[in-house]
Amino acid sequence: KAGVTQTPRYLIKTRGQQVTLSCSPISGHRSVSWYQQTPGQGLQFLFEYFSETQRNKGNFPGRFSGRQFSNSRSEMNVSTLELGDSALYLCASSQFDREGEKLFFGSGTQLSVL
Amino acid sequence: AQTVTQSQPEMSVQEAETVTLSCTYDTSENNYYLFWYKQPPSRQMILVIRQEAYKQQNATENRFSVNFQKAAKSFSLKISDSQLGDTAMYFCASGLYNTDKLIFGTGTRLQVFP
Repeated sequence: KAGVTQTPRYLIKTRGQQVTLSCSPISGHRSVSWYQQTPGQGLQFLFEYFSETQRNKGNFPGRFSGRQFSNSRSEMNVSTLELGDSALYLCASSQFDREGEKLFFGSGTQLSVL
Repeated sequence: AQTVTQSQPEMSVQEAETVTLSCTYDTSENNYYLFWYKQPPSRQMILVIRQEAYKQQNATENRFSVNFQKAAKSFSLKISDSQLGDTAMYFCASGLYNTDKLIFGTGTRLQVFP
């Protein structure tokens, strides 16, 4: 099976712009979650989606939004970019099997805001 | 609220030796999972091992094993026969049932020396 795929791998934007990141989960996984990783704040949960519905949301401003499509692919959008939004954005998809819940991460999108 | 603490920012070990990474957590919930993830320089988060809180038996995956002390809220990772490829950041995380929201520790940078 192919792993979690995130595109693009790298992105450079300027302050005030908006950006859309894409995530394709592992085939058969219906749940997708997003995380932000920065040197200062570490790994922080952004939001998660299950069957096109946002199931949980982290403590981020409304400039951060996401959605999930019927094929489970997900996108996250950041509007009015700020310098502090520079980070590695990680997407994960999950499955629940007889061993319980397991999250599998993609390689991330490195966003640099100039 | 859940918290995860990793008190060792950096560790080093010689190849073939054994090393233990520490993690403590706090939660008021009864149904939760604990994870160890590895993040090599490629920055992809790789699931190393997971433990369900209700299971008393410590999880084991090949050279990786955990020492889960529920009463002490401790979840340490033991790497046996360390290999150069084990060099990476290691993150401890906790999560509740029915959600992909994980709370991560600040990580431990492990260097394996030849």
